[in-house]
Amino acid sequence: SQELEQSPQSLIVQEGKNLTINCTSSKTLYGLYWYKQKYGEGLIFLMMLQKGGEEKSHEKITAKLDEKKQQSSLHITASQPSHAGIYLCGADGAWGSTLGRLYFGRGTQLTVWP
Amino acid sequence: NAGVTQTPKFQVLKTGQSMTLQCAQDMNHEYMSWYRQDPGMGLRLIHYSVGAGITDQGEVPNGYNVSRSTTEDFPLRLLSAAPSQTSVYFCASSYSKNFDNNGYTFGSGTRLTVV
Repeated sequence: SQELEQSPQSLIVQEGKNLTINCTSSKTLYGLYWYKQKYGEGLIFLMMLQKGGEEKSHEKITAKLDEKKQQSSLHITASQPSHAGIYLCGADGAWGSTLGRLYFGRGTQLTVWP
Repeated sequence: NAGVTQTPKFQVLKTGQSMTLQCAQDMNHEYMSWYRQDPGMGLRLIHYSVGAGITDQGEVPNGYNVSRSTTEDFPLRLLSAAPSQTSVYFCASSYSKNFDNNGYTFGSGTRLTVV
């Protein structure tokens, strides 16, 4: 299996502040997924990274996979209350395909206060 | 566009009872998987399947059985429920070739309480 460690476990920021969540793997990351989850709801897909050095952005959220492919970071610029929730990283372990299952980190609980 | 459908959404069981959590997808995905989510633990893989008739264990398979008789369905069975199985359960499906950005589709979850 692949172990993923997320940091921090929880984060409380004031609206408008920037923040970063990290996901570190025990093995090389080939398919790294970022999801967001609001309490009591399902998972919302954010981004998927495959190549070392790859960086993707969606609205104010940017994710990057480092060159050595064992760490990914998720950066939120000018946070808003709508960004609050649990952020989860998941690893597939395959490049260009899926192995049919994901191993997840424990999640980062983000609170954004006005 | 149904995607991945899980039923029921909520369930309360007594210790020792059995039940089946249903998962169905209409996207013709080859791969399906089950996860449980507990506070502070993220999602942990229970079982997964890479095709009809093929299943494999994940991180926490004890107490759960699965089968995959069709591409569309992947039920999760609890043979004798225990309080430790109180959790939120998610089912997911995916293509074998994932060059797109959205390889895994998740269901909305089943919240199970065992008393």
